[in-house]
Amino acid sequence: GENVEQHPSTLSVQEGDSAVIKCTYSDSASNYFPWYKQELGKRPQLIIDIRSNVGEKKDQRIAVTLNKTAKHFSLHITETQPEDSAVYFCAAKDTGNQFYFGTGTSLTVIP
Amino acid sequence: NAGVTQTPKFRVLKTGQSMTLLCAQDMNHEYMYWYRQDPGMGLRLIHYSVGEGTTAKGEVPDGYNVSRLKKQNFLLGLESAAPSQTSVYFCASRYSYPVRDNRNEQFFGPGTRLTVL
Repeated sequence: GENVEQHPSTLSVQEGDSAVIKCTYSDSASNYFPWYKQELGKRPQLIIDIRSNVGEKKDQRIAVTLNKTAKHFSLHITETQPEDSAVYFCAAKDTGNQFYFGTGTSLTVIP
Repeated sequence: NAGVTQTPKFRVLKTGQSMTLLCAQDMNHEYMYWYRQDPGMGLRLIHYSVGEGTTAKGEVPDGYNVSRLKKQNFLLGLESAAPSQTSVYFCASRYSYPVRDNRNEQFFGPGTRLTVL
């Protein structure tokens, strides 16, 4: 099955700086890569996603890039704000219907 | 719309007891999923369903059973609970095809915190 690795496990940035979280996957046939934000005690919420036929996608301060050859994808958050503090998860969907999640990155934005 | 709901929110079991977790969605989604979330391990898929009357195993199915008798409900059962099943359980659902903005979003329920003593 698919294996998704996520780094770093913790990340601290100053408010206004950028944050980058990276994930790798093992199954070259995986075709959909969502990113989720989870606040303490809450459910995961989709923040951005990308399909395998697209290299980059942006939504305001958030962007995701995908390198299919290297089998890695990254989340970029610019102009970070304290409310961006949360745990972020990447995931990959295989050609069936299963989603495989990374182990999460705890992001802290320091005011 | 209530979205995805889960019952109960919290539960404490003794080893060997059984229980059923209920997931309900009112979005007419075809696919439904059960995950468990443990510290430092992200979400792991237990079982999933691609439609009424169908179920399939995910990454970590042992010790769990599921049923999807109605399209809107997906039940997760623990026949004989073990301390290793202490976790937060999330249900999710989605359409079988991309919709708005080409997204194929999974919608998650609020979670059930289960402790097995």
